[in-house]
Amino acid sequence: AQRVTQPEKLLSVFKGAPVELKCNYSYSGSPELFWYVQYSRQRLQLLLRHISRESIKGFTADLNKGETSFHLKKPFAQEEDSAMYYCALSGEGRDDKIIFGKGTRLHILP
Amino acid sequence: EPEVTQTPSHQVTQMGQEVILRCVPISNHLYFYWYRQILGQKVEFLVSFYNNEISEKSEIFDDQFSVERPDGSNFTLKIRSTKLEDSAMYFCASQGNYGYTFGSGTRLTVV
Repeated sequence: AQRVTQPEKLLSVFKGAPVELKCNYSYSGSPELFWYVQYSRQRLQLLLRHISRESIKGFTADLNKGETSFHLKKPFAQEEDSAMYYCALSGEGRDDKIIFGKGTRLHILP
Repeated sequence: EPEVTQTPSHQVTQMGQEVILRCVPISNHLYFYWYRQILGQKVEFLVSFYNNEISEKSEIFDDQFSVERPDGSNFTLKIRSTKLEDSAMYFCASQGNYGYTFGSGTRLTVV
């Protein structure tokens, strides 16, 4: 079954501290993995995707196929990072739907 | 940067009424989607649309739902007879060469 699991509903981190948002997935094949961010009352925005291997706003995520994980990390949290973060996967087909995790609310404490 | 536009941003409707949610995808995208997010829950896939027909739909997308691309630019989601449990945020998305772009959503409240 295709599934994305984000075990933490809420993560509170002090400003300047490292952040790690956990994501594990289940998919039989080679999925594409994403992180989306949703700031308060705004649209879902693509934060990063594993195939581009970019670092956006200081966030990185490494796909670990052995552990089927795609954890999101940032070395030093900033207050503007407070948002809802969704890990997601898409299949190998061109028009495959995206399957989202339940999301983790990241709250940066001053 | 091109955007996916959704209207209205908020719709309140009475139970049993029909609603049409509208989306204008990015012009050179070929794949279109609707997702919904019930308050406090995850974003769920409803339907995908390609080449003027549904390519995949979820079990949520029952006979009460339909999609259309009436004029080559708009992409609509119709709910024929709304139920209280249809209250949610509905997101439209389109996909091109560089991945998905989501709209800002329509908040549907069924009373």
